[in-house]
Amino acid sequence: QQQLQESGPGLAKPSETLSLTCTVSSGSMITPNYWWAWIRQPPGKGLEYIGSIFYTGSTYYNPSLKSRGTISVDTSKNQFSLKVNSVTATDTAVYYCVRQRGLDSWSFDLWGRGTLVTISS
Amino acid sequence: QSALTQPPSVSGSLGQSVTISCTGTSSDVGNSKRVSWYQQPPGTAPKVLIYEVNNRPAGVSDRFSGSKSGNTASLTISGLQTEDEADYYCGSFSIISNVFLFGGGTKLTVL
Repeated sequence: QQQLQESGPGLAKPSETLSLTCTVSSGSMITPNYWWAWIRQPPGKGLEYIGSIFYTGSTYYNPSLKSRGTISVDTSKNQFSLKVNSVTATDTAVYYCVRQRGLDSWSFDLWGRGTLVTISS
Repeated sequence: QSALTQPPSVSGSLGQSVTISCTGTSSDVGNSKRVSWYQQPPGTAPKVLIYEVNNRPAGVSDRFSGSKSGNTASLTISGLQTEDEADYYCGSFSIISNVFLFGGGTKLTVL
């Protein structure tokens, strides 16, 4: 059964860049059936969609990040990554990597366990 | 873009039914079948309950059902059980913002 696992530093300083990687196991990312997404959740708050990527490199982004976010894919490693630059305390959140059903569905059917990233000096 | 609107909390007694609403606009919830619902028990990652308005993934109990009328989607949980206590989120794709929107979440308490 396919699984997703987030990895990366749990702490970043204000104004620096947050970098996370998601490793997809038990199945190739090269499939027309799924996109691959990042979703975050600030402590005690709701879910926020960050963006999605297809294995070809096509992307969607949430405009709320004001172009600070970049999602990339490395199909040779079966991984996709998130970078958020110029972070502030408001970027403190649990970050989830998620498998997304196709564009006719736009639903998120498989979630990683999530990783907490704290922005603090 | 604004999040979809959900009630902050709902409650119901064991064995009863509850319905959680999710109100959007004609550009998101009202636009297509791209509406989904997620359950998040405390301290865990969310899990999809309903996709494409009213479809249940394999393994999800048939006590969970989804529907939509106009710009409002609904999640109904029948035969409430203690393990249903969780936060519930709706979501939909917005064609005007070209982004996926989540509702603010609803906390379900089983009495």
